[in-house]
Amino acid sequence: EAGVVQSPRYKIIEKKQPVAFWCNPISGHNTLYWYRQNLGQGPELLIRYENEEAVDDSQLPKDRFSAERLKGVDSTLKIQPAELGDSAVYLCASSLERGSSTSGANVLTFGAGSRLTVL
Amino acid sequence: KQEVTQIPAALSVPEGENLVLNCSFTDSAIYNLQWFRQDPGKGLTSLLLIQSSQREQTSGRLNASLDKSSGRSTLYIAASQPGDSATYLCAVSLGDDKIIFGKGTRLHILP
Repeated sequence: EAGVVQSPRYKIIEKKQPVAFWCNPISGHNTLYWYRQNLGQGPELLIRYENEEAVDDSQLPKDRFSAERLKGVDSTLKIQPAELGDSAVYLCASSLERGSSTSGANVLTFGAGSRLTVL
Repeated sequence: KQEVTQIPAALSVPEGENLVLNCSFTDSAIYNLQWFRQDPGKGLTSLLLIQSSQREQTSGRLNASLDKSSGRSTLYIAASQPGDSATYLCAVSLGDDKIIFGKGTRLHILP
């Protein structure tokens, strides 16, 4: 099993430029999360998907951030335009649907993250 | 608003010692609690998940306990090894499917 795959691992851009991150969750995981982690902090949720539906995007700065999960599998997170304060690690995670009888439901599996530096 | 606190923020102990990491949360209405490990520059790896109806979970040298009424969880690491050096984060899952993380404890095991 490949795990949660994210790309790119590192991205350096100048402020006001656009950037996009891609996530491929574990096969069969219908819940997908995007988190942002600042240095020395815990991850903070940006958006959560159940299949292709965004069920919690209350913490997503919608003026510059957007996300999509077409077909309920892969997801992209976009920032346009990027600001200096957006420098962080963007983590994608996936899990089985809560309430599933399958062992391991609701256990989050994280990708390695995409580290963004905005100059 | 649910808040998750981890104390201490950093900890250094000699190899071989047993140690305890602490996690507290303000609202006891949680669905479950997870402990994660994060190595520098890497994503998070789930270590243990405790459902709200459970008191503890064990995996190898790790034991996690949960006391919902007092809003506390501990992660016990037995016979620590240099390879245990990492940041350990706890996260609580709420009824509305939100997952709230603490800031983590940076653990350094001295050889």
